[in-house]
Amino acid sequence: NAGVTQTPKFQVLKTGQSMTLQCAQDMNHEYMSWYRQDPGMGLRLIHYSVGAGITDQGEVPNGYNVSRSTTEDFPLRLLSAAPSQTSVYFCASSYTDGQNKAFFGQGTRLTVV
Amino acid sequence: SQQGEEDPQALSIQEGENATMNCSYKTSINNLQWYRQNSGRGLVHLILIRSNEREKHSGRLRVTLDTSKKSSSLLITASRAADTASYFCGTGANSKLTFGKGITLSVRP
Repeated sequence: NAGVTQTPKFQVLKTGQSMTLQCAQDMNHEYMSWYRQDPGMGLRLIHYSVGAGITDQGEVPNGYNVSRSTTEDFPLRLLSAAPSQTSVYFCASSYTDGQNKAFFGQGTRLTVV
Repeated sequence: SQQGEEDPQALSIQEGENATMNCSYKTSINNLQWYRQNSGRGLVHLILIRSNEREKHSGRLRVTLDTSKKSSSLLITASRAADTASYFCGTGANSKLTFGKGITLSVRP
């Protein structure tokens, strides 16, 4: 199993550009989520999904959209990138078996100039 | 908002020594988890302790939970250089977790 795969690993965007961060998992997990990690701030939840077709907002959802058309994929869209969105983004997934253990991808380092 | 707050923020020890890290949280929990993050990598789950447990062991890891004080501690015994990483406590369920700002542990060879 590959686990949680994020692409790309690095990206530089100009202010106002749009892009999609990809996240895929091959563990048949129902729960998936996106976090951003900023220096001195820890990880903050952006959006999460409890299953295909179901998404909800986390702590910092503004400027980001998500959709979940399949169990495997959970892309994160930046509609109009801003310098404040410069961060490292992590995707995570977990089982629904009450174990609560989350599996994280390797991260996408995004710079908006 | 951070549910968990770890301390110290940074810890530097000699290889072979024990490392103790603390986490405090604000609201009631069902469980608390500890994760490790190596530089430039994603988080890796270390151990989970449920609210009705007081202590749990996994290899060189020992975690305690005091729900009356809303605090947890992670002890790494006989530390190794490979334990150098950031450590986070997290609360919540499944992939909807709230983390503290993390502790940077440096283990000197």
